[in-house]
Amino acid sequence: DAGVTQSPTHLIKTRGQQVTLRCSPKSGHDTVSWYQQALGQEPQFIFQYYEEEERQRGNFPDRFSGHQFPNYSSELNVNALLLGDSALYLCASSPGTERGAQYFGPGTRLLVL
Amino acid sequence: AQSVSQHNHHVILSEAASLELGCNYSYGGTVNLFWYVQYPGQHLQLLLKYFSGDPLVKGIKGFEAEFIKSKFSFNLRKPSVQWSDTAEYFCAVNGFSGGYNKLIFGAGTRLAVHP
Repeated sequence: DAGVTQSPTHLIKTRGQQVTLRCSPKSGHDTVSWYQQALGQEPQFIFQYYEEEERQRGNFPDRFSGHQFPNYSSELNVNALLLGDSALYLCASSPGTERGAQYFGPGTRLLVL
Repeated sequence: AQSVSQHNHHVILSEAASLELGCNYSYGGTVNLFWYVQYPGQHLQLLLKYFSGDPLVKGIKGFEAEFIKSKFSFNLRKPSVQWSDTAEYFCAVNGFSGGYNKLIFGAGTRLAVHP
């Protein structure tokens, strides 16, 4: 049973560029959440996708956008990258119920120069 | 503001010592509670979860946690730690007024176990 997978594992971009990160959820899960984990900090909720719609959003600017596909996989897009966007971006999947625990992928480490 | 507090930021123990990591949250409604562990170089793994029922929950690797509703606490325990338990531990909660979608994490506790 494959867990949550994310690609790429590492990425280096320059300020002002755009980036797309990808996530495939755990088998049987239909909900995908994205988190940003700055170095030495706890994960911060970016948004969650369910049934191809953004269901909830955290305190992140509109430069952060996402998409969910019919097969439940998801993309996180960040436009106009800032140095402060350097972080580990985590994808978590869960069943679409209130009692579903979120399972995390290995993350994509983004460095903005 | 809704928040999760972990009181110990760094804990150093010798092998076989007992462990208790504190977690408190600030919300009076119904919540789901979780402990996650992040081993060096690895991804966040779910240790245990509490939704309802018996307030003492058992997780993987000998960990357990007790939910005390009156104290808004969900402390993690292990009777005897091993060197391989060296990791960062995060308490997380959902079910705040924003719904069950968003996990709010504590700042984490770095545990170092010396042989």
